[in-house]
Amino acid sequence: GENVEQHPSTLSVQEGDSAVIKCTYSDSASNYFPWYKQELGKGPQLIIDIRSNVGEKKDQRIAVTLNKTAKHFSLHITETQPEDSAVYFCAAWEADMRFGAGTRLTVKP
Amino acid sequence: EAQVTQNPRYLITVTGKKLTVTCSQNMNHEYMSWYRQDPGLGLRQIYYSMNVEVTDKGDVPEGYKVSRKEKRNFPLILESPSPNQTSLYFCASSFSADTQYFGPGTRLTVL
Repeated sequence: GENVEQHPSTLSVQEGDSAVIKCTYSDSASNYFPWYKQELGKGPQLIIDIRSNVGEKKDQRIAVTLNKTAKHFSLHITETQPEDSAVYFCAAWEADMRFGAGTRLTVKP
Repeated sequence: EAQVTQNPRYLITVTGKKLTVTCSQNMNHEYMSWYRQDPGLGLRQIYYSMNVEVTDKGDVPEGYKVSRKEKRNFPLILESPSPNQTSLYFCASSFSADTQYFGPGTRLTVL
């Protein structure tokens, strides 16, 4: 079955810097890759997603890139703000959804 | 407001005492799912349902039951809870099983 690995597990950046979180997946048939943000005491919230027919997608300060050949995808957050502090999960979908273990992002003011 | 709701949000119980966590969505989604979240393990799927009266096991179904008698509700049942089921539980729903929307979570402690 699908296996998703996510790195790093923790990430600390200064406000205004960029943050990058990387995920790799094992099943080449996976075709949908969402990213979720989970704030303390809340459920995961979808922030951006990408399908396998697209290499990059951007939404304001957030972007996701997908390399199907290498089977990895990344979340890029530019101009980070303290409210970006949260746990971020990547996931890969083929017949079911497999999640990475999560990255705790801390943005220091 | 489009949402997934779960009840209760917090629950402390004892080993062996049957409990039910309810999940309801108002988006007319056909797909619903239950996950548990444990530190360092991310989200693992317990059960899912593609439609009314259709349920299937996920990765960690042991010790859990579900039912899908109506489209909007998907309760999670623990017939005889054990301490290893202490976890944070999330219900999710989706039109097509890929783009999933999560509820706020239920923190369960089994003593």
